[in-house]
Amino acid sequence: KNEVEQSPQNLTAQEGEFITINCSYSVGISALHWLQQHPGGGIVSLFMLSSGKKKHGRLIATINIQEKHSSLHITASHPRDSAVYICAVGIQGAQKLVFGQGTRLTINP
Amino acid sequence: KAGVTQTPRYLIKTRGQQVTLSCSPISGHRSVSWYQQTPGQGLQFLFEYFSETQRNKGNFPGRFSGRQFSNSRSEMNVSTLELGDSALYLCASSLGTGINSPLHFGNGTRLTVT
Repeated sequence: KNEVEQSPQNLTAQEGEFITINCSYSVGISALHWLQQHPGGGIVSLFMLSSGKKKHGRLIATINIQEKHSSLHITASHPRDSAVYICAVGIQGAQKLVFGQGTRLTINP
Repeated sequence: KAGVTQTPRYLIKTRGQQVTLSCSPISGHRSVSWYQQTPGQGLQFLFEYFSETQRNKGNFPGRFSGRQFSNSRSEMNVSTLELGDSALYLCASSLGTGINSPLHFGNGTRLTVT
């Protein structure tokens, strides 16, 4: 079993829909990152969380340390949100990041 | 402020050769970490350098090595290339250690081994 599991692997939605991407992990972590990767490879860091909730524009990230689970929400989704979203966790004590397999999101106009 | 710069963008090498990739971090960032991305394995951590010291290394063979210079620029070297080394290699810089600091990624170097 992977240390970091994301769901769903693929998600297609209509413009304007509320989107949720989930990330579960099985190890102790020091921080969790949400990343966005567009076609062509460039990766942008969206959030880094160690507790609670963060919001940036239409994006919201939450983390529940006790349940070892994080969610990324996108409100009022737009075709430009189409990308691969990747969850990564910093392993406590190991000083390294472990990545989920990513969620491919497609927003249709 | 200039972003993270990786050179070259594309590289084609032959099995058995060696390759050096370069990463220039954002000014003031002391941490540079390297990652390999393949369709089969996804993103995997290679290693991180902080103030010229390697902090940790992922599960890669010794053919993969790196270093960081006093100006925080970093290089990654892969010796005796294998077909399976074909991948997108990404580096990221951060102010503090990359585990607990927001990461700023370069656009990557796409390596093809033939």
